[in-house]
Amino acid sequence: AQSVTQPDIHITVSEGASLELRCNYSYGATPYLFWYVQSPGQGLQLLLKYFSGDTLVQGIKGFEAEFKRSQSSFNLRKPSVHWSDAAEYFCAVGARSSGSARQLTFGSGTQLTVLP
Amino acid sequence: EAQVTQNPRYLITVTGKKLTVTCSQNMNHEYMSWYRQDPGLGLRQIYYSMNVEVTDKGDVPEGYKVSRKEKRNFPLILESPSPNQTSLYFCASSPSRTGKSDTQYFGPGTRLTVL
Repeated sequence: AQSVTQPDIHITVSEGASLELRCNYSYGATPYLFWYVQSPGQGLQLLLKYFSGDTLVQGIKGFEAEFKRSQSSFNLRKPSVHWSDAAEYFCAVGARSSGSARQLTFGSGTQLTVLP
Repeated sequence: EAQVTQNPRYLITVTGKKLTVTCSQNMNHEYMSWYRQDPGLGLRQIYYSMNVEVTDKGDVPEGYKVSRKEKRNFPLILESPSPNQTSLYFCASSPSRTGKSDTQYFGPGTRLTVL
């Protein structure tokens, strides 16, 4: 079964600073990988996804993530954080096989606080 | 506008009183799913459906039922709610058939409190 670990429960950065949110996954083959963001009181919005090809994936709002197979990681990065980026971020893994494997498994989330 | 809608958005109920949370999508997606979100646990899948009349259990199905009689609707039913089902619930949908279509689109959430 697949699993996702987000080691950082809470991260605080200053506005304008760079950001990296960690995500490690466990899966027997190359998975589908996603990052979602949840603003307070809102649903989840897809930031970016990795299915295949280039391991550096660009997403919305200036975010990017890099798939590193050797480290089983899919860390999310942003070079300069804006106050509006304060939210909770979820990494998710999806299995590639057919049948019942359209499930997504989510990490427990990382809460991002942005200081002025 | 393409969207997933859930109703109600907020619900307070009492133990044992049957309730239904509706979910509807207008994107003609085949795949639909229900999750619950609890602090420190992220999102956990309750049930999912790969097509009309096809449903399957997710990671935490106990105490829940679903049905998929129409493609656009996927209601979540709590026959006898208990306080441990107090949570934030999300419905999601996704186009199916190919791997590149596995992005899931989420509804706004339903906050349920069971007293």
